[in-house]
Amino acid sequence: IQLIQSPSSVSASVGDSLTITCRASQDIAGWLVWYQQRPGRAPRLLIYAASTLQTGVPARFSGRGSGTLFTLTINTLQPEDFATYYCQHASSFRFTFGPGTKVDIK
Amino acid sequence: QLMESGGGVVQPGTSLRLSCVAADFDFRSFPMHWVRQSPGKGLEWVATISYSGSNKFYGESVKGRFIVSRDNLNNTFYLQMNNLRPEDTASYFCGRDVSSRLVGAANLWGQGIRVSVSP
Repeated sequence: IQLIQSPSSVSASVGDSLTITCRASQDIAGWLVWYQQRPGRAPRLLIYAASTLQTGVPARFSGRGSGTLFTLTINTLQPEDFATYYCQHASSFRFTFGPGTKVDIK
Repeated sequence: QLMESGGGVVQPGTSLRLSCVAADFDFRSFPMHWVRQSPGKGLEWVATISYSGSNKFYGESVKGRFIVSRDNLNNTFYLQMNNLRPEDTASYFCGRDVSSRLVGAANLWGQGIRVSVSP
């Protein structure tokens, strides 16, 4: 199963909202995870099962989708949100990551 | 918390074993994951083991060369890496699954350990 993320990179300003899309090459139901990674750091779990917000993650992050199309939306970007975001599928005991979306400051 | 060890610089074709020691949670109840990141590249899933150790899953690029295991008595998770290749050069992260049911998402990570494979 391949995952395609779009855009591959985006420039945004503090206060903007943005949506990242992850498309799966096959139906993966709701088995989709979103991570945030800052340079030199371990990944940080944001959302699992497509839409379940990990405890402690701000509510400005939200995930939607099922089947082959998924989105991660970040409302009101904060300075700490400028990072790279990865989707990952978690079906059939294969946990492949997407290529990532880099969000930087405009 | 999780803490990796065992990284270093090795030659192609050799072996290395990474360890991940867990603390402050019921280690035996959670599936565990290894994920790696080559310099300047994205994340790559490497391997996953169920909470009991009876089920193991591997990424295509390491299948047949890497072996994942765990010692639930000593709260330690391992990645035995054999026949190492230059393309295995990466930072390796261990992660704990969010659920004992193996959701495939990791909500606790180690700081990462570097492995460099070079002639």
